[in-house]
Amino acid sequence: QQQVKQSPQSLIVQKGGIPIINCAYENTAFDYFPWYQQFPGKGPALLIAIRPDVSEKKEGRFTISFNKSAKQFSLHIMDSQPGDSATYFCAASPGGFKTIFGAGTRLFVKA
Amino acid sequence: DAGITQSPRHKVTETGTPVTLRCHQTENHRYMYWYRQDPGHGLRLIHYSYGVKDTDKGEVSDGYSVSRSKTEDFLLTLESATSSQTSVYFCAISTDIINQPQHFGDGTRLSIL
Repeated sequence: QQQVKQSPQSLIVQKGGIPIINCAYENTAFDYFPWYQQFPGKGPALLIAIRPDVSEKKEGRFTISFNKSAKQFSLHIMDSQPGDSATYFCAASPGGFKTIFGAGTRLFVKA
Repeated sequence: DAGITQSPRHKVTETGTPVTLRCHQTENHRYMYWYRQDPGHGLRLIHYSYGVKDTDKGEVSDGYSVSRSKTEDFLLTLESATSSQTSVYFCAISTDIINQPQHFGDGTRLSIL
């Protein structure tokens, strides 16, 4: 019940495409859903986050869509660029400090 | 980049030896975290701290201990290292406003032979 399931494991898109990464959860106590971006050799960086009282949040080219009834949320990257090639992690938290991470998606954007 | 320094960046050691990893922050943030990253598991919380000398366990705390004697430093100790603790370890910090990891260090790659 504490898991966050992330898919796909890897993703290749052409420059300008819109990669979509999906996550699902079971624990209805989760109330904070962040996404992190990680480049090779670096630590993750908080990218964007959403709370379940909204269905969508946009920051620049990154959009989170949230479906509370389905217990699913997804990250869309508009007009993707080769510089977006990285590993992306979704996560969920029931409040407090114990954020649960998905297994990660390796994204490669072809030039 | 947030001022987080992890040391050492790489370490190779033998089974049974104690190992201490250090996280140093210059942001004066209250909350600090230790995670381990393994393929197929994402990041898993080992321990976290909500103030000087205030720490608590995460989901994979067995075999690890932590200490925080100053706001800026958070130490992770493997009391008797095992091969299953071979991993990449990340420290993270966050402000009082949000008690979720916001900024991460660049990690320590630890190999236990």
